[in-house]
Amino acid sequence: EVQLLESGGGLVQPGGSLRLSCAASGFDMSNFAMSWVRQVPGKGLECVSAIKNSGKTYYADSVQGRFHISRDDSRATVYLEMNNLKGEDTAVYYCASPYSVWGQGTLVTVSS
Amino acid sequence: DIVLTQTPLSSPVTLGQPASISCRSSQSLVHSDGNTYLSWLHQRPGQPPRLLIYKISERFSGVPDRFSGSGAGTDFTLRISRVEPEDVGIYYCLQATKFPHTFGQGTKLEI
Repeated sequence: EVQLLESGGGLVQPGGSLRLSCAASGFDMSNFAMSWVRQVPGKGLECVSAIKNSGKTYYADSVQGRFHISRDDSRATVYLEMNNLKGEDTAVYYCASPYSVWGQGTLVTVSS
Repeated sequence: DIVLTQTPLSSPVTLGQPASISCRSSQSLVHSDGNTYLSWLHQRPGQPPRLLIYKISERFSGVPDRFSGSGAGTDFTLRISRVEPEDVGIYYCLQATKFPHTFGQGTKLEI
């Protein structure tokens, strides 16, 4: 079964850091770009970062300089390192193999 | 960034009747490779989005044929030929032609 499983979310204080992981199974992740999409509860979808299978990376302006995406194809895992977190980063973070396969999401809450 | 504008934002529908959602892009979505990477996704409460349509009109695996997509350039439409109860939720258009990939605001389909 094709699946993405996110982990690493949680409660963090403003200015703190978190590292999200997304483990792929049932398909060869190395052939695909991967994206992180977030959704503030009750709001719309925002692609915050993506990484091509070549390793080229992209970031939304809202996270540029604070978030870092990487991939380890040998572990079939993509990561999102989030630094200097702000309240507006509070959201459910989805991993997607753009955009046919989605994980269930992991909630990141930034609050003191 | 490419802005996608969906209309309507809310659509009351009747079971068994058709429905349509429009998505207009702030610039052409034709990629240099000749493809147009405009997709439609459906999201139910508490669930991740699910891909329905990609490259304007290609139905994803397992998607019922009552869903269809059309359009070109900057104007696109999702049509549901006969609304079923499981079709309620929020529909998003998505462009993956140019980074950053962007989504429309979402259209809430309600019975």
